[in-house]
Amino acid sequence: QMQLVQSGPEVKKPGTSMKVSCKASGFTFSSSAMQWVRQVRGQRLEWIGWIVVDTSNTNYAQKFQEKVTIIRDMSTSTTYLELSSLRSEDTAVYYCAAASGFGSGWYAFDIWGQGTMVTVSS
Amino acid sequence: EIVLTQSPGTLSLSPGERATLSCRASQSVSTNYLAWYQQKPGQAPRLLIYGASSRATGVPDRFSGSGSGTDFTLTISRLEPEDFAVYYCQQYGSSPNTFGQGTKLEIK
Repeated sequence: QMQLVQSGPEVKKPGTSMKVSCKASGFTFSSSAMQWVRQVRGQRLEWIGWIVVDTSNTNYAQKFQEKVTIIRDMSTSTTYLELSSLRSEDTAVYYCAAASGFGSGWYAFDIWGQGTMVTVSS
Repeated sequence: EIVLTQSPGTLSLSPGERATLSCRASQSVSTNYLAWYQQKPGQAPRLLIYGASSRATGVPDRFSGSGSGTDFTLTISRLEPEDFAVYYCQQYGSSPNTFGQGTKLEIK
């Protein structure tokens, strides 16, 4: 069964950093690509960035350029989203999503994690 | 950045009716890399359509996607009770990947 399992909810203080994990199973992690998306309560999905797992190449939305890092750990089939300088506006549900067939030329984000709620509050 | 505009914002229909959702891009979507997702309250998005017109695994054939360039459509031929949700389009051919603002499909 192909799945992504994300780490649990977090509460962070403004100005600090967060790191959310996303563990893949049931598909070939090394042949995939992973995007990170967030959703503020009641609002639209917002794309943060993505990583091509094989090459570790990343691309980030300009809005997040100064504060985001996406990395992967091949040994544990895990992708991580790091956000620094957190503000209250970063309070949202963060999702990872995999394009499981990326390395085979089939490109679609077909597997989604369950989401991680991150609350930024003093 | 490609801006995606979905219409209508809310669509009120009854089970058994046909739903037509629109997604318009501010510029042409590369290689028709346009996806549709369904999201229910408290759940992650679910991929329905990719490449503008291909159904994802396990998606009922009442869901279909069409369009190219800048105009795309998601059609649900006969609405089932479980289809009432929010639908998003996403273009993933040009960075930054972008989402539409969503269409809420509600029971009339």
